[in-house]
Amino acid sequence: EDQVTQSPEALRLQEGESSSLNCSYTVSGLRGLFWYRQDPGKGPEFLFTLYSAGEEKEKERLKATLTKKESFLHITAPKPEDSATYLCAVRNNQGGKLIFGQGTELSVKP
Amino acid sequence: DAMVIQNPRYQVTQFGKPVTLSCSQTLNHNVMYWYQQKSSQAPKLLFHYYDKDFNNEADTPDNFQSRRPNTSFCFLDIRSPGLGDAAMYLCATSRADRVGETQYFGPGTRLLVL
Repeated sequence: EDQVTQSPEALRLQEGESSSLNCSYTVSGLRGLFWYRQDPGKGPEFLFTLYSAGEEKEKERLKATLTKKESFLHITAPKPEDSATYLCAVRNNQGGKLIFGQGTELSVKP
Repeated sequence: DAMVIQNPRYQVTQFGKPVTLSCSQTLNHNVMYWYQQKSSQAPKLLFHYYDKDFNNEADTPDNFQSRRPNTSFCFLDIRSPGLGDAAMYLCATSRADRVGETQYFGPGTRLLVL
């Protein structure tokens, strides 16, 4: 069964303290791994799509990487405005359904 | 800016009183999705439209229906809301239902059932 597990469930950082969020997955034929950011009471905001092992993408303080079993979202020198829940999702080779992880709730304190 | 719009942002209804949530998009995407998200949980896909073709998830209750009158609009109808249907409802779109296509989400509608 296709599955996505994110860790940790919650992460508290001081401003400027770099860290990484993990997304482990098992999927029948990966056809995309997606990272979203979700603020409380809002819809998920698209961050990155990764398609193959070894691929990396960056946006401001965020960098996403992908291996055959997991993806990391690296946050460099985070700021309080980076506080949000980060969702990871995968798409298999059987159609359009996204399989989501439970998310990592990130809190960055000044 | 091209976007996914949901109305209303907040909806309060009574137990058993039908309610309709609206989604529109200016992205000209041919696939539209409806998700239910409860507090601290991942979004759960209810159904999606590929153009005019409706695709229901096996575990979506019959209480939930959808309409897509044209490319830009999609509606979620909850025929007899129960207390357990209180949640955030998210609309998403993608350009085509081919593998790997990114889904873009709207801001959501928070439904409260009294």
